[in-house]
Amino acid sequence: DAGVIQSPRHEVTEMGQEVTLRCKPISGHDYLFWYRQTMMRGLELLIYFNNNVPIDDSGMPEDRFSAKMPNASFSTLKIQPSEPRDSAVYFCASSLGSPSRAPREPLHFGNGTRLTVT
Amino acid sequence: RKEVEQDPGPFNVPEGATVAFNCTYSNSASQSFFWYRQDCRKEPKLLMSVYSSGNEDGRFTAQLNRASQYISLLIRDSKLSDSATYLCVVVDSGGGADGLTFGKGTHLIIQP
Repeated sequence: DAGVIQSPRHEVTEMGQEVTLRCKPISGHDYLFWYRQTMMRGLELLIYFNNNVPIDDSGMPEDRFSAKMPNASFSTLKIQPSEPRDSAVYFCASSLGSPSRAPREPLHFGNGTRLTVT
Repeated sequence: RKEVEQDPGPFNVPEGATVAFNCTYSNSASQSFFWYRQDCRKEPKLLMSVYSSGNEDGRFTAQLNRASQYISLLIRDSKLSDSATYLCVVVDSGGGADGLTFGKGTHLIIQP
């Protein structure tokens, strides 16, 4: 079975450019999460969706970040304009049901997108 | 602010040894706990849930100490393939993903 699919795997861009990260969750999963991971801050939740609806975007760093989920099988995270401090690994994860309510389904992570902004 | 603290390590352990590390959490209302494993340059994957009574999965044992607000992971007869970063995850009672807090991870290196 296909897991969570993210693209691209690596992205190198210059400061000021627009970056779009893509995610296809596991079919049938109704929760989708975007995380960012850095050595300094670890895994940080940016935003999550339930049934394609954004539920909590309080983790989005600032207005330069936006995320959409136009349908159950696709989501994007966009950074415009990008800055060097945005360099990180961005993970998309999905789950069948909420991971914080019984039966507490595990998160299934994609391979991540390693973003470098120069 | 919710806090989940882990010793970042690295823990350098000879193959075959037993190793244990803890994760402390600040919210006494935390409901559920998990250990995730993350290999170098890979995504995190669920290793095991942590139940109140403690639970075992092969060489891995997870325990919860609610009074002292920590969970532990013990690995017996460690293998080279156990080298990874182990992430503690704490789930609070509020529900929703904002109740899911990841620690920064403990880096484990098993040496031949």
